[in-house]
Amino acid sequence: GENVEQHPSTLSVQEGDSAVIKCTYSDSASNYFPWYKQELGKGPQLIIDIRSNVGEKKDQRIAVTLNKTAKHFSLHITETQPEDSAVYFCAASGWGGADGLTFGKGTHLIIQP
Amino acid sequence: DAGVIQSPRHEVTEMGQEVTLRCKPISGHNSLFWYRQTMMRGLELLIYFNNNVPIDDSGMPEDRFSAKMPNASFSTLKIQPSEPRDSAVYFCAFLTGSGNTIYFGEGSWLTVV
Repeated sequence: GENVEQHPSTLSVQEGDSAVIKCTYSDSASNYFPWYKQELGKGPQLIIDIRSNVGEKKDQRIAVTLNKTAKHFSLHITETQPEDSAVYFCAASGWGGADGLTFGKGTHLIIQP
Repeated sequence: DAGVIQSPRHEVTEMGQEVTLRCKPISGHNSLFWYRQTMMRGLELLIYFNNNVPIDDSGMPEDRFSAKMPNASFSTLKIQPSEPRDSAVYFCAFLTGSGNTIYFGEGSWLTVV
């Protein structure tokens, strides 16, 4: 089955700086890679996703890159703000998510004021 | 998350008792997933349904766990008998037909003492 590794487990950055979270996956058949943000006491919330037919996708301050050859993908957050503090999860799936997602262990992002 | 209603939000029960968690997704979904989240193991897929039919229950940890989806608007996850190691947050999630994205509910926080 699929295995997703996520690093770092904790990331502390100064407000206004950029944050990068990296993930690798094992199954070359995976073709869908979403990122979720989870705040305390809430369910994971989808913030951005990318499919295997593109290498990069951007939505305002958030961007995701995918390298299918190396089987890794990354989340980039620019101009970080206090409300970006949360736990972020990467995930991978085949069939566009229809068979469920395999998640990384999460990154606790702390934005220092 | 506004498209999924989970109940109860919090439950504390004694070891050996039966626990039933409920999920009401919005209409129009294709697939429904049950996930469990713990500090040690992260987010784990327990089971998923497609068109109300269980497709893959290989993530269900033991025979004490069972799940049903009697119709497109309702699903249950049952633990009988419950044990302290079942303490976790249980999430229901659904896959939308448009865009193929997976949305999570707010979770049911279960504590077995």
